[in-house]
Amino acid sequence: GDSVTQMEGPVTLSEEAFLTINCTYTATGYPSLFWYVQYPGEGLQLLLKATKADDKGSNKGFEATYRKETTSFHLEKGSVQVSDSAVYFCALSFSPSNYQLIWGAGTKLIIKP
Amino acid sequence: DGGITQSPKYLFRKEGQNVTLSCEQNLNHDAMYWYRQDPGQGLRLIYYSQIVNDFQKGDIAEGYSVSREKKESFPLTVTSAQKNPTAFYLCASSPGQGVVYGYTFGSGTRLTVV
Repeated sequence: GDSVTQMEGPVTLSEEAFLTINCTYTATGYPSLFWYVQYPGEGLQLLLKATKADDKGSNKGFEATYRKETTSFHLEKGSVQVSDSAVYFCALSFSPSNYQLIWGAGTKLIIKP
Repeated sequence: DGGITQSPKYLFRKEGQNVTLSCEQNLNHDAMYWYRQDPGQGLRLIYYSQIVNDFQKGDIAEGYSVSREKKESFPLTVTSAQKNPTAFYLCASSPGQGVVYGYTFGSGTRLTVV
């Protein structure tokens, strides 16, 4: 069945380091792909999305490119800040008419000053 | 501003009691969802509703019940049959065109059984 696999955390980086959080998926058809962020004690916020192959989603310095050939949607940021510390979730929707998202397990990111 | 309001933010329940978590949205979204999140864990779907007066069980519906009498409201009742209800509960919504636009989440309710 359809699934999303994220790299296990926590990921610990120093401020201004380069960030990559891996996300790969298994799906039939052409899903839409999402990254959500959850700050401590809060709900999830949509960070970025891509709806077709080769699309690049970007927001707040974060980027992710929909790679159909490698079934991946890795999250990247060139220079992280302490305020980026959060849990990041990758998700997919496997049908435009289906209302459910398939979620990865989440990756906790810790940025040290 | 449009959004989803969950209340209360913190809730304490004695064992054997039912408790209802509120979720209200003013986004005019057709679909609404309830998720459970345990510490260090991902999201697990409890129930979802695509239209008023209709809802479907998710992966962990046992011990929970919902209603969808109004488009704006999707309350979740945690019953005494739920054996381990202590968790963080998240409500979300999405437009009627499916999830191409993603979900909007509330800020969550943290339920603790005492």
